[in-house]
Amino acid sequence: DAGITQSPRHKVTETGTPVTLRCHQTENHRYMYWYRQDPGHGLRLIHYSYGVKDTDKGEVSDGYSVSRSKTEDFLLTLESATSSQTSVYFCAITSGTDQPQHFGDGTRLSIL
Amino acid sequence: GDSVTQMEGPVTLSEEAFLTINCTYTATGYPSLFWYVQYPGEGLQLLLKATKADDKGSNKGFEATYRKETTSFHLEKGSVQVSDSAVYFCALSEHSGTYKYIFGTGTRLKVLA
Repeated sequence: DAGITQSPRHKVTETGTPVTLRCHQTENHRYMYWYRQDPGHGLRLIHYSYGVKDTDKGEVSDGYSVSRSKTEDFLLTLESATSSQTSVYFCAITSGTDQPQHFGDGTRLSIL
Repeated sequence: GDSVTQMEGPVTLSEEAFLTINCTYTATGYPSLFWYVQYPGEGLQLLLKATKADDKGSNKGFEATYRKETTSFHLEKGSVQVSDSAVYFCALSEHSGTYKYIFGTGTRLKVLA
C-alpha cells in the first residue's frame, strides 16, 4: 500500500475556528490532492499540488487554503470553519496523471 | 469540461449474480480510466485501470474494457460475493495539462447472501 497518512482522523470543532488537516506521504510522489466527500456528490476536488510550492484550485476551493513547503506534506486549512464544511476529507497522491491515485483513510470533520 | 457519469444506485444483487455497473465519460483527448472501490469507513482503493482504447483492466474477478467508440468503461463481475458490497467509483485522469482526476458520483452495491 502507498504510504499516505492523514491526521487527525476525526475532529469536532466550532464554527469560526481555524482547522488544519495534514496529509503526509512517504512515496516521494509529485502530485497531491485534497477532496471532500459528501452524500450525493461523490468526490469533489478542493485543491491540488503539482510540486513543492505549486498549487491550484479545484471545483470547491472557496473557504479553503493549502500549503506544500516540502514534497511529503500537503496541508489543508479552513481559516474560519463553517457548518457547510462538515464532511469527510480525503488526501490522494500520484506519481503521474496517467497513473492511479492512492488515497488516505480520510478525516471526518464535524463543525458545530 | 471532462465528466464521468455512472449509474445510480443502490444496486442490490443476490450472491453469485452477474454484476454490471455502467460508466460513460466525456473527455478531450485520451484519458486514462479507473475503477475504485470504497468500503465503509475507508478511503478509495484502486480496483482496476486502463490507459488506452481496447485495454481491459481486471482484478479480483472484476473487469472493464476501455471503449473509445462508445466512451464507456463498464464494470463487470461474473459472480458477486457478499464481500463485494461497497461503493464503486468510475474515474478518469485528464491528459490536458491540468493534473486533475474526475470522479463519478459512485454506485453502492449490496450483495445479499
